[in-house]
Amino acid sequence: AQKITQTQPGMFVQEKEAVTLDCTYDTSDPSYGLFWYKQPSSGEMIFLIYQGSYDQQNATEGRYSLNFQKARKSANLVISASQLGDSAMYFCAMREGEGQNFVFGPGTRLSVLP
Amino acid sequence: GAGVSQSPSNKVTEKGKDVELRCDPISGHTALYWYRQSLGQGLEFLIYFQGNSAPDKSGLPSDRFSAERTGGSVSTLTIQRTQQEDSAVYLCASSLYGGSQPQHFGDGTRLSIL
Repeated sequence: AQKITQTQPGMFVQEKEAVTLDCTYDTSDPSYGLFWYKQPSSGEMIFLIYQGSYDQQNATEGRYSLNFQKARKSANLVISASQLGDSAMYFCAMREGEGQNFVFGPGTRLSVLP
Repeated sequence: GAGVSQSPSNKVTEKGKDVELRCDPISGHTALYWYRQSLGQGLEFLIYFQGNSAPDKSGLPSDRFSAERTGGSVSTLTIQRTQQEDSAVYLCASSLYGGSQPQHFGDGTRLSIL
């Protein structure tokens, strides 16, 4: 079974609008971490934001926030005030327990329109 | 400080040849990962090393693929008798142990098999 599901292969958003990229996960471990990465066309993987399973509040980092709904096992990334430079692939990833194995989702390609 | 360093950045070789890809992780990072990313696709996990523990080789696609990590630092991914389907970008990442520590990625090696 897929551990990380990203149901949107591609998304479009108008510049300056907000966009939500979906991520659902599957784990039976009560301790886990969720990560979002951005991969622009240049290819580098850029860490954006982290949410721990025991964190009480949703993570925020500048224009990025994570809409964490633990009961639904979802960890959607919200990008506010989209910029042209936000156009990229976005990957959701999970680390279970204190282990070191990361599982990545298939990614969502975001295109920001001028 | 120095990030994850991968070499070569590009490698073109003939089908049937062996190739070695190198990864130098961030100093002090105990975990090291190899991924493969085909054009426009997500990350395919290959192998990861954690300290002196036996590596998790569960993602290696065939016995033509092997990896070593010497002295808990530099890692080499070797592909023997390369095939055209091995053409991809090979990404290396490293991480501090556990919790909220994200993976830090290198720029990858773009491997092309003629």
